[in-house]
Amino acid sequence: GDSVTQMEGPVTLSEEAFLTINCTYTATGYPSLFWYVQYPGEGLQLLLKATKADDKGSNKGFEATYRKETTSFHLEKGSVQVSDSAVYFCALSDPAGGSYIPTFGRGTSLIVHP
Amino acid sequence: IAGITQAPTSQILAAGRRMTLRCTQDMRHNAMYWYRQDLGLGLRLIHYSNTAGTTGKGEVPDGYSVSRANTDDFPLTLASAVPSQTSVYFCASSVDSSTDTQYFGPGTRLTVL
Repeated sequence: GDSVTQMEGPVTLSEEAFLTINCTYTATGYPSLFWYVQYPGEGLQLLLKATKADDKGSNKGFEATYRKETTSFHLEKGSVQVSDSAVYFCALSDPAGGSYIPTFGRGTSLIVHP
Repeated sequence: IAGITQAPTSQILAAGRRMTLRCTQDMRHNAMYWYRQDLGLGLRLIHYSNTAGTTGKGEVPDGYSVSRANTDDFPLTLASAVPSQTSVYFCASSVDSSTDTQYFGPGTRLTVL
């Protein structure tokens, strides 16, 4: 079945540091890929998505590129802020697997210190 | 526009009691979902509904039931709560069952003692 693997956290960074959170996937078909973010005490919200190979999703300074050859969708940001502290979930949606319902990774906690 | 609301925000419940978690959306989305979030396990799908009047089982449906009498509401019921159901529960919706982007509510933190 489909699955998503993301790096375990927490990831702890100083403000203005470069961020990478790794995400790899396995899928039956040709999935869409997502990053969701969960701020403390809130529900998940979509951060960015990509629907085909080599697409780059971007939002709020974050970006991720759909790499079909390496089945990866790593999240990056050039300069993190304290307000980026949150849990980040990688997810995929693979209709070839029978449903559009996303499969989520386990989440990676990011802590940014001033 | 409120989006998705959930109630209660948190609840402490004695084992064996019945509990219904409420979820309402005002976006006229056809598809709705219930997830539980546990530390180290991420999000796991409990039940879903592709449209009013239909429901389906997710990854971890045992001990839970749902109903979808109308488009806006999707309550989750624990018939007889057990401590392993202690979790944070999120309701989500999407435009329809062929749309992959989901919108989440703020969650209900449930503790079963």
